[in-house]
Amino acid sequence: GAGVSQTPSNKVTEKGKYVELRCDPISGHTALYWYRQSLGQGPEFLIYFQGTGAADDSGLPNDRFFAVRPEGSVSTLKIQRTERGDSAVYLCASSLRPSGRAVSTDTQYFGPGTRLTVL
Amino acid sequence: QKEVEQNSGPLSVPEGAIASLNCTYSDRGSQSFFWYRQYSGKSPELIMFIYSNGDKEDGRFTAQLNKASQYVSLLIRDSQPSDSATYLCAVKSSASKIIFGSGTRLSIRP
Repeated sequence: GAGVSQTPSNKVTEKGKYVELRCDPISGHTALYWYRQSLGQGPEFLIYFQGTGAADDSGLPNDRFFAVRPEGSVSTLKIQRTERGDSAVYLCASSLRPSGRAVSTDTQYFGPGTRLTVL
Repeated sequence: QKEVEQNSGPLSVPEGAIASLNCTYSDRGSQSFFWYRQYSGKSPELIMFIYSNGDKEDGRFTAQLNKASQYVSLLIRDSQPSDSATYLCAVKSSASKIIFGSGTRLSIRP
């Protein structure tokens, strides 16, 4: 079946603009995660959804960042008033479910990422 | 202290030798542990997960977990040039979110 997809693959914007990044998880996966990865660093946790609700948004750096998952499937990460420091690859991952006795259900499958460049 | 720590490398290993990658974590309540491989410009892909103390083997890969020492490692036997990549350790914390280390760059020299 299809894996996690993310659009756009690349986004170039100007400082101060608003951007939306989209993630389409694997069908049937209830948990969805957003990460940000800068060069030479591991993925930095931003937020995770269980179904439609944000189960943990403690990684969002400030109130310019917001994410939604209104129907429990596709998610959109929204960044207002972009800054040059927001430039990174934004990764989305999904898993079958985030908790439970079967560790395999924690396994995250990553999308190809969106490379955001803020000029 | 970072929640998940890895030596950034690069770690250079001759082809055919054993590569040993290490990771420590700070949250004693952590439940499960993952190793991901990431090629340059690509997304992370899962190699193995482990949640019980001891060793878990899968082909050329062995994950080792020691919860008392808060230590996870990955051994790659018979290293191949195609194993050259960044290896990311990830830990599911007691808060249920998954935290990644910064990764170790591994280079297999022919």
